[in-house]
Amino acid sequence: ETGVTQSPTHLIKTRGQQVTLRCSSQSGHNTVSWYQQALGQGPQFIFQYYREEENGRGNFPPRFSGLQFPNYSSELNVNALELDDSALYLCASSPRVSSPDTQYFGPGTRLTVL
Amino acid sequence: KNQVEQSPQSLIILEGKNCTLQCNYTVSPFSNLRWYKQDTGRGPVSLTIMTFSENTKSNGRYTATLDADTKQSSLHITASQLSDSASYICVVSVNTGGFKTIFGAGTRLFVKA
Repeated sequence: ETGVTQSPTHLIKTRGQQVTLRCSSQSGHNTVSWYQQALGQGPQFIFQYYREEENGRGNFPPRFSGLQFPNYSSELNVNALELDDSALYLCASSPRVSSPDTQYFGPGTRLTVL
Repeated sequence: KNQVEQSPQSLIILEGKNCTLQCNYTVSPFSNLRWYKQDTGRGPVSLTIMTFSENTKSNGRYTATLDADTKQSSLHITASQLSDSASYICVVSVNTGGFKTIFGAGTRLFVKA
């Protein structure tokens, strides 16, 4: 176990709805990154948060947004859900934003959009 | 074209055999390269991490190499076990004032008895 937890484990939504996914970082980690992983593909970087500020973003539209809280836990919000948003959403925490230290991944949230 | 390309896409080997997975990348400026193992339906678990100045790193039966000049990396698995069946993902990080991580699509390894 990596110490990174995510909730919920599974979620089913319909098109147009909004969803919030949650991530609790490993103790002592101040950086969290979110990824989207479609079936059979590698994870795609959504964005990273460091000390409650966004610190890098991949090629995702603005309806993907995030928050990081003072305790370094994090949320991923997706508005106006589309069918293609169905994927495994992974969060990963790390102790420093720019070090080569390993990211520790959570188990993921499986989102299905109908 | 993906900035991190992995090959082969999938691989079947017999238990006890060795195998080598490849990763080519085009991203820059390079910060570090990591190999992850991902079991189906679970989050990736780190195997090795290498910075620009490192050209080999071992973790038990896993040995990763890096040639920063040719932008190629490989992951060699020795004496494979059934539990090695998983996806192996190559990940390259860049830091251009903002952190960015680029994952390869992975190599799906099947180890058969």
